[in-house]
Amino acid sequence: NAGVTQTPKFQVLKTGQSMTLQCAQDMNHNSMYWYRQDPGMGLRLIYYSASEGTTDKGEVPNGYNVSRLNKREFSLRLESAAPSQTSVYFCASSVRPSDYGYTFGSGTRLTVV
Amino acid sequence: AQSVTQLDSQVPVFEEAPVELRCNYSSSVSVYLFWYVQYPNQGLQLLLKYLSGSTLVKGINGFEAEFNKSQTSFHLRKPSVHISDTAEYFCAVSERTGGFKTIFGAGTRLFVKA
Repeated sequence: NAGVTQTPKFQVLKTGQSMTLQCAQDMNHNSMYWYRQDPGMGLRLIYYSASEGTTDKGEVPNGYNVSRLNKREFSLRLESAAPSQTSVYFCASSVRPSDYGYTFGSGTRLTVV
Repeated sequence: AQSVTQLDSQVPVFEEAPVELRCNYSSSVSVYLFWYVQYPNQGLQLLLKYLSGSTLVKGINGFEAEFNKSQTSFHLRKPSVHISDTAEYFCAVSERTGGFKTIFGAGTRLFVKA
């Protein structure tokens, strides 16, 4: 099925460990996004990639890095995980987000202990 | 800068009753408006969007929303809810001038009781 695929679905890390969240879309969308979702705060943009080869910071980029590997794939890396990064992470993609809206993946639930 | 306020964090309602989920926004420029739905343990799905034209927008699953420019609101309604409508609903705005940032509200949890 066409859509946005995220891996892994669940992850537990110890403080200081690193990991990479993977995201791939097969809809030929130009732009891709990483959001985090925390209770009562909605979704907050971490990083986005307007097109292949470009990345930009969102609202809460500290502690994260991203790579737009090709048009399909956009990964999010936590270099040294902290408990404050415990959250649900969503990847999304869009043809043109201003009026098309997003297609979201099913999320990665990350716990940092 | 834009902001989105969803006025209710939780809305309990009985099955087959009508429901309204309220959303107000602020922006210095014209915006597009969206509602997304998130079922438990899933990602968000686009429910409906307002781009231009008629202020009453119909979406999937019998939902509709009305854009009110003077009150800067975009409330979501359904005349008769089902148990399966239990989910979290997010209002979102993006600037008409383009760009790549969409602002989401904090969400409203709709709980439909039998």
